[in-house]
Amino acid sequence: DADVTQTPRNRITKTGKRIMLECSQTKGHDRMYWYRQDPGLGLRLIYYSFDVKDINKGEISDGYSVSRQAQAKFSLSLESAIPNQTALYFCATSDLKVDGYTFGSGTRLTVV
Amino acid sequence: AQSVTQLGSHVSVSEGALVLLRCNYSSSVPPYLFWYVQYPNQGLQLLLKYTSAATLVKGINGFEAEFKKSETSFHLTKPSAHMSDAAEYFCAVSEPNTGNQFYFGTGTSLTVIP
Repeated sequence: DADVTQTPRNRITKTGKRIMLECSQTKGHDRMYWYRQDPGLGLRLIYYSFDVKDINKGEISDGYSVSRQAQAKFSLSLESAIPNQTALYFCATSDLKVDGYTFGSGTRLTVV
Repeated sequence: AQSVTQLGSHVSVSEGALVLLRCNYSSSVPPYLFWYVQYPNQGLQLLLKYTSAATLVKGINGFEAEFKKSETSFHLTKPSAHMSDAAEYFCAVSEPNTGNQFYFGTGTSLTVIP
């Protein structure tokens, strides 16, 4: 099983719909992150959480919300999806050591 | 704020040729530096990292990178490109005083020509 699991892998949704992307991890890491990837823009941080009671906005949090349900689970919600939220979304985890992030395989979201 | 610049969004090399992917960063304190690789339809995988030990870092698949403080660079190299190296490569920087939050470059797509 993967260390960081994202569901769904692919999703097509309509404008205005609410959608949730889920992330779970077996790494035992306290820190979890949500990024979106767009061609030519690299990865941009949406939200991050350093523990269950800690939620922080990243550089592009508008239009998104998150929930840290447990140490191992961190979900990302689009309350009312819009087409420019079409992107590849990645969840990542890390711990206090400087070992780098562990990434999930990504969720490809298309908003039509 | 920290910034990471990857020169060249697309790089093409012939199979067997040297691979050089450039990364420059801005940081007022010694950073931690990383290179990640993303194969098609996959997540990002750590290639190598620099965390203030030896300035020449060796990673997986024959890649290495050298931290040059005077040039604020962390370029990725591989002596001989293989077809399987075709992927997207991301440089990332983490500053210890920001809780180790990562900042990513915009990525470089590597094409290997047979």
